Amino acid sequence: KQEVTQIPAALSVPEGENLVLNCSFTDSAIYNLQWFRQDPGKGLTSLLLIQSSQREQTSGRLNASLDKSSGRSTLYIAASQPGDSATYLCAVSPDSGYALNFGKGTSLLVTP
Amino acid sequence: ETGVTQTPRHLVMGMTNKKSLKCEQHLGHNAMYWYKQSAKKPLELMFVYNFKEQTENNSVPSRFSPECPNSSHLFLHLHTLQPEDSALYLCASSQGTRLPYEQYFGPGTRLTVT
Repeated sequence: KQEVTQIPAALSVPEGENLVLNCSFTDSAIYNLQWFRQDPGKGLTSLLLIQSSQREQTSGRLNASLDKSSGRSTLYIAASQPGDSATYLCAVSPDSGYALNFGKGTSLLVTP
Repeated sequence: ETGVTQTPRHLVMGMTNKKSLKCEQHLGHNAMYWYKQSAKKPLELMFVYNFKEQTENNSVPSRFSPECPNSSHLFLHLHTLQPEDSALYLCASSQGTRLPYEQYFGPGTRLTVT
């Protein structure tokens, strides 16, 4: 069974810092990997989707990388802002089927 | 209205009650999903519907009964729930279930079972 782990579970940084969130998965037979953002009391917002054949995706200040063979992905946030405070979730899609397997998330707090 | 909407946003029910959660997507998608998010646990897939047909039931207890009358609407009927069923229930939709379609999520229904 696919296990997705996110480290750290919580992170607090001052505004302006660059930061890295980590995601690891046990089964490398994935089709794609998604990073989501979840604000308190709200649903999930898709940030980036990386196909298994890709190495990275970028959107604005966000950059996600994927190393499928080692079962790792990182989400890099540049020049963090208080508005980035949220829980960030990593999810992988298996090669067969369509169920997303989620990690427990990293709770990020960016202080002014 | 756009995206994926869910009602109600909050629900408190007793163990003997019967209630329903509603999800509606305005994205023209063909696949819809129910997920459960409990405290301290990862999001868990419950059900998947593709073109109104249930394609996956992830070993969910029968006290949860899904219904998908059309590709835009998805319901989750609840009866005789247990306190451990208290969680955030999230609905999602995607263009299809064949990869690599992205899933779009609603805001969720926060359910408390007393």
